[in-house]
Amino acid sequence: GAVVSQHPSWVICKSGTSVKIECRSLDFQATTMFWYRQFPKQSLMLMATSNEGSKATYEQGVEKDKFLINHASLTLSTLTVTSAHPEDSSFYICSAPEGPGNEQFFGPGTRLTVL
Amino acid sequence: QQQVKQSPQSLIVQKGGISIINCAYENTAFDYFPWYQQFPGKGPALLIAIRPDVSEKKEGRFTISFNKSAKQFSLHIMDSQPGDSATYFCAASPGSSASKIIFGSGTRLSIRP
Repeated sequence: GAVVSQHPSWVICKSGTSVKIECRSLDFQATTMFWYRQFPKQSLMLMATSNEGSKATYEQGVEKDKFLINHASLTLSTLTVTSAHPEDSSFYICSAPEGPGNEQFFGPGTRLTVL
Repeated sequence: QQQVKQSPQSLIVQKGGISIINCAYENTAFDYFPWYQQFPGKGPALLIAIRPDVSEKKEGRFTISFNKSAKQFSLHIMDSQPGDSATYFCAASPGSSASKIIFGSGTRLSIRP
């Protein structure tokens, strides 16, 4: 199957700093990618849809100025958590669809800890 | 509004037994129903998926049963093994490439040796 990677796999930062997370489709192109957030022992909650060459679409309740998404190429989407605070600590996961069935392939996730 | 309801929240099954996880959906526009397996600290991985034109799909020890009229679907894991211990999520989507996947709340499955 298709492979989606994320970088970094984990990051620890101080409150108030910004953190960038990369999501790459390694062996296919993706005009659309999705960003999810998962708190411990909870389900994945869709944050936004990343669209190559255009603005991202954010889910209700997600602050677009806090979670900046850039889909600059067909293989790369980035999520920047601006002015991170401890409540932003979470597991961030991206996905991209590929194939005739538009199966979603998920990245391995990025664990963000804000001190 | 929770669009995909999943039960049970947790499940303990003896090795060799059958694990059954149930889901129900509300949106009749959904036409793609995947199940994902997630291990701690990892991203979810597609296990098996079904579309509403069939009532059952089997891949190895994993079977999805689908009831379109009741808007319910379930995952059966036959001959459950300790390595199957993970969190399982059902999900639903309208199915196009730009469509969101809506996840159920998850089931933590533990297989006892």
